[in-house]
Amino acid sequence: QSVLTQPPSASGTPGQRVTISCSGGSSNIGSNYVCWYQQFPGMAPKLLIYRNNQRPSGVPDRFSGSKSGTSASLAISGLRSDDEADYYCAAWDDRLTSGLFGGGTKLTVL
Amino acid sequence: EVKLVESGGGLVQPGESLRLSCAASGFTFSNYYMTWVRQAPGKGLQWVANIRQDSTQRYYLDSLRGRFTISRDNANNSLHLQINSLRADDTAVYYCARQPVYGDLDHWGQGILVIVSS
Repeated sequence: QSVLTQPPSASGTPGQRVTISCSGGSSNIGSNYVCWYQQFPGMAPKLLIYRNNQRPSGVPDRFSGSKSGTSASLAISGLRSDDEADYYCAAWDDRLTSGLFGGGTKLTVL
Repeated sequence: EVKLVESGGGLVQPGESLRLSCAASGFTFSNYYMTWVRQAPGKGLQWVANIRQDSTQRYYLDSLRGRFTISRDNANNSLHLQINSLRADDTAVYYCARQPVYGDLDHWGQGILVIVSS
């Protein structure tokens, strides 16, 4: 069981907006930046969001991140079939002095 | 172009040791923290360890501390992970990743598979 809690699955239809939540605590999300990764089967993860809401160069603005207190969210608007992937949140934990990943959310585009 | 290439994986017996390496190119290696992440088959990502630019700070997942040792060679642009007393639950793809200032992992290697089995 992960310290950062994500729903195991999410789904939406093309064009819809979906959000994926990530719940943590005061020693991780509450006091550090959150980032999000996208992973396709058999591939290495790719950084999608850093510093809570910043997009690396090349990531479409359909992807956005937010953080409030000890929770964070990833929103994907204008859902496309090629967004179907696993999504992970991550943050540093000051109490554990280690990095943390959420358990991952499998996004299905119906 | 930033490139990270892992090596050293394979099939090993329980109780044996293994040293994974990550060759870095396309950036000034000595300017970045570096991190190891692993992923067991069909499971999620698990943060393993990271190391400061000058090796003065190393952090580990608590459950792995003692068996895992992260190190780096800035002269040769390489990152290493020594794993001792390998167990079946260490079976995973191991990724090395570059870690800029804010803790995110902005570039990843393709991963190397370690299988622990008799």
